[in-house]
Amino acid sequence: GAGVSQSPSNKVTEKGKDVELRCDPISGHTALYWYRQRLGQGLEFLIYFQGNSAPDKSGLPSDRFSAERTGESVSTLTIQRTQQEDSAVYLCASSSGGLAGDEQFFGPGTRLTVL
Amino acid sequence: GESVGLHLPTLSVQEGDNSIINCAYSNSASDYFIWYKQESGKGPQFIIDIRSNMDKRQGQRVTVLLNKTVKHLSLQIAATQPGDSAVYFCAEITGNTGKLIFGQGTTLQVKP
Repeated sequence: GAGVSQSPSNKVTEKGKDVELRCDPISGHTALYWYRQRLGQGLEFLIYFQGNSAPDKSGLPSDRFSAERTGESVSTLTIQRTQQEDSAVYLCASSSGGLAGDEQFFGPGTRLTVL
Repeated sequence: GESVGLHLPTLSVQEGDNSIINCAYSNSASDYFIWYKQESGKGPQFIIDIRSNMDKRQGQRVTVLLNKTVKHLSLQIAATQPGDSAVYFCAEITGNTGKLIFGQGTTLQVKP
């Protein structure tokens, strides 16, 4: 079946511009996660959606970052007034539930480059 | 604060040898640990997990060992193959959400 998909796969933008990154989770998965991966580093948790609960935004690095999710489907991560330090791969994952033992399936990521 | 780190950034092994990748974690309250494999240009892929009430778990060619006394986690890969070449991350979870805290990663290079 279809896995997690993300678009665009690559995004080059100029400093100060806003960008939107999209994630399509696996159908039926109630939990959705966004992570950021800087070059040569591990993933950093950004935000987590679980069903109709309020999202866990504890990993968002600044108020320039926001994310939305429509029901249990598509999510968009928005970065306003992008900075060069925002350059990274942004990965989305989904799981059938939001519990520790529920395997997270990752998408291929969106590589963001801020010039 | 919470952190998960890896001892070695790069591990180079001969094809057919066993590989051991190590990880240290700092949050003694973490109760769930996962190893991921990430190939170039792809998202991480689940390999194996272990709960804090266990000290060993085996999968196909992989074994995870957990030593809570010294807060150490290791991944053993038997008969390493070229297809095992990738970056390996350990990750931990505290509580019952799926929020993952990742380590920096170890690059595994398999020489033919």
